[in-house]
Amino acid sequence: DTGVSQNPRHKITKRGQNVTFRCDPISEHNRLYWYRQTLGQGPEFLTYFQNEAQLEKSRLLSDRFSAERPKGSFSTLEIQRTEQGDSAMYLCASSGSLVSNTEAFFGQGTRLTVV
Amino acid sequence: SQQGEEDPQALSIQEGENATMNCSYKTSINNLQWYRQNSGRGLVHLILIRSNEREKHSGRLRVTLDTSKKSSSLLITASRAADTASYFCATPLIQGAQKLVFGQGTRLTINP
Repeated sequence: DTGVSQNPRHKITKRGQNVTFRCDPISEHNRLYWYRQTLGQGPEFLTYFQNEAQLEKSRLLSDRFSAERPKGSFSTLEIQRTEQGDSAMYLCASSGSLVSNTEAFFGQGTRLTVV
Repeated sequence: SQQGEEDPQALSIQEGENATMNCSYKTSINNLQWYRQNSGRGLVHLILIRSNEREKHSGRLRVTLDTSKKSSSLLITASRAADTASYFCATPLIQGAQKLVFGQGTRLTINP
């Protein structure tokens, strides 16, 4: 297992277009997280899956954002009608139970630029 | 809302010196984790310290935890140019999603 994989690494899109990102977590991890990070800031939580169930969504996740994790494996994050304010690094992480003293493993991120 | 807050926001030192970064948090924790992020890359886990531990070492890293003050520190000894990165502390919320909540990080620059 090579860790958490995210595709694409970079995406440039025109305002108003839809984009979809993919995350392949570490196979034995049942927890998957999406974060967004803007320049100079720490990662901000967007949403969380335990297996295929989406259990929590941040209020940062407007109705233009949707995430899925079919069959509890890979996950996709879609942004519809992109806006310039959506430009950011989108990070995916997977883990076992964090409160059981395990760490999260992050992918390299997808950098979105909306022009 | 922020759970972890790092201090200082930026730190610039000479290669070979020690670097100390601090983190404060707000609520009860099971553990506190430190991550490193190189520019434009994902986060890499460095070290995890449990709430019943006071100090932990990993190579050139030393982490302390003071649960009475709700604070932690990360010390990097004998710094190298390759240590240039942003460093974040994070704590998993005990309830709900157990998601990691990050601070804004400390931007560390090691000058050769």
